[in-house]
Amino acid sequence: RKEVEQDPGPFNVPEGATVAFNCTYSNSASQSFFWYRQDCRKEPKLLMSVYSSGNEDGRFTAQLNRASQYISLLIRDSKLSDSATYLCVVNMLNAGKSTFGDGTTLTVKP
Amino acid sequence: EAGVVQSPRYKIIEKKQPVAFWCNPISGHNTLYWYLQNLGQGPELLIRYENEEAVDDSQLPKDRFSAERLKGVDSTLKIQPAELGDSAVYLCASSLRGSATYNEQFFGPGTRLTVL
Repeated sequence: RKEVEQDPGPFNVPEGATVAFNCTYSNSASQSFFWYRQDCRKEPKLLMSVYSSGNEDGRFTAQLNRASQYISLLIRDSKLSDSATYLCVVNMLNAGKSTFGDGTTLTVKP
Repeated sequence: EAGVVQSPRYKIIEKKQPVAFWCNPISGHNTLYWYLQNLGQGPELLIRYENEEAVDDSQLPKDRFSAERLKGVDSTLKIQPAELGDSAVYLCASSLRGSATYNEQFFGPGTRLTVL
């Protein structure tokens, strides 16, 4: 079993739809969590951090459930430009170790 | 501010040949990472440096892979000899330890390696 697991998708949604991705992690000592976005043939870029209380950035909302060991990303009012692969990242902060999921692919269609 | 720089962007070699990749992190970032990314998968850590010290190289296949960061700034990753299975994208990333965003990693564009 992988340390960080994501549904690979693909998720194909129309513009304006709401879509949610989940990510589960196996190490209960994990301390910090992130979502990265990776466009086709490009490098990953930080989308947002995930805080224990949940956090929102415009159309994007991230949630953390430590008891169930999963994080989620919700995208509202999807845009064509949201089409990308979304990578879940789980960190052991003190050890500086980051583990990436394999990503969930989103395609937003007109 | 310049981002993480990697070269070359693409490399095609025959199996058993050596190959080297170079990375220059963001100025002032003392943590440097080398990742390998296969198609359809997330980046997998090969080695992490804090300044010039390799603090995590547990996933580096040391029989054929080596890396160095002699002055704690730029870094080189080498494969010798390359095998067909080494074909992948090699990503370099950097971050600033001790900052509030310590674990935010900034990635370079990667080197796409094809071994024939």
